[in-house]
Amino acid sequence: DIQMTQSPSSLSASVGDRVTITCRASQDIRNDLGWYQQKPGKAPKRLIYAASSLQSGVPSRFSGSGSRTEFTLTISSLQPEDFATYYCLQHNSYPRTFGQGTTVEIK
Amino acid sequence: EVQLVESGGGLVKPGGSLRLSCAASGFTFNNYNMNWVRQAPGKGPEWVSSIDGGSNYIYYADSVRGRFTISRDNANKSLFLQMNSLRGEDTAVYYCARELPITMVRGETPDYWGQGTRVTVSS
Repeated sequence: DIQMTQSPSSLSASVGDRVTITCRASQDIRNDLGWYQQKPGKAPKRLIYAASSLQSGVPSRFSGSGSRTEFTLTISSLQPEDFATYYCLQHNSYPRTFGQGTTVEIK
Repeated sequence: EVQLVESGGGLVKPGGSLRLSCAASGFTFNNYNMNWVRQAPGKGPEWVSSIDGGSNYIYYADSVRGRFTISRDNANKSLFLQMNSLRGEDTAVYYCARELPITMVRGETPDYWGQGTRVTVSS
C-alpha cells in the first residue's frame, strides 16, 4: 500500500500569510495526487487535481506542485475563508490513501 | 448539474447490516468509476471501495473486505454499498464520489462528492 505522509498536522497563521503543506508518498505516484479542503460538517472539496491543476472556480491563491513522491499545496495569501482542514489523496493505485490532514487555524 | 445524493444511513447494532445508496444525476454515470469514502468522527477520510463503470473491476479496503459489497445499476444511475457484520469502527459518515478513470487502477482526482450519510453502529 502507498503511504501518504502529510505535514504539518496543524498550523497557525494570519490572514495574508503564505502557507505551505506537504505530502510525501512512499513510492512513485507520478502526478496522481489531489488536494481537498474540508470544513466542519461538509464533504471534501477538490482544490487541485493531477498535482498542479487548479479546480475551476477555486481562487488562484491556491496552487499545487510536485510529482513522483513529493507534493506541495501552497496558499499564497491566506484569507479568512481558508481556515479549514486540508487533505491530499493519491489515486495512482489501490487502496486509495489520504494524508492525515492539516488543520489551518487562525493565529 | 452534477449531483450525488447518498441515503440509507442510520443506527444499527453491532453485527447488523445496512445498505447505502447513492443516486447520481447530471453526468454520464457509466463513464465514471465510483467510490465510497468514509470519515469517522474527528478523523480524516478513509477510502472504502471502488467500482468501475462496467462493474468489472472492484476494489476494497482491507478493513471492509469480506463484509462490504459495492455494486452499481447504470440504468438507474445508482451506486450501492451493502454493509454486513457491522462493527463499532464502521461508525462514520459515508460519501460517494465519482472518479474519471485513466487506466485499470489509475484515475483522476475524484471531483464531485455527495453530502454524506451517517452510519452509527452501537448497541
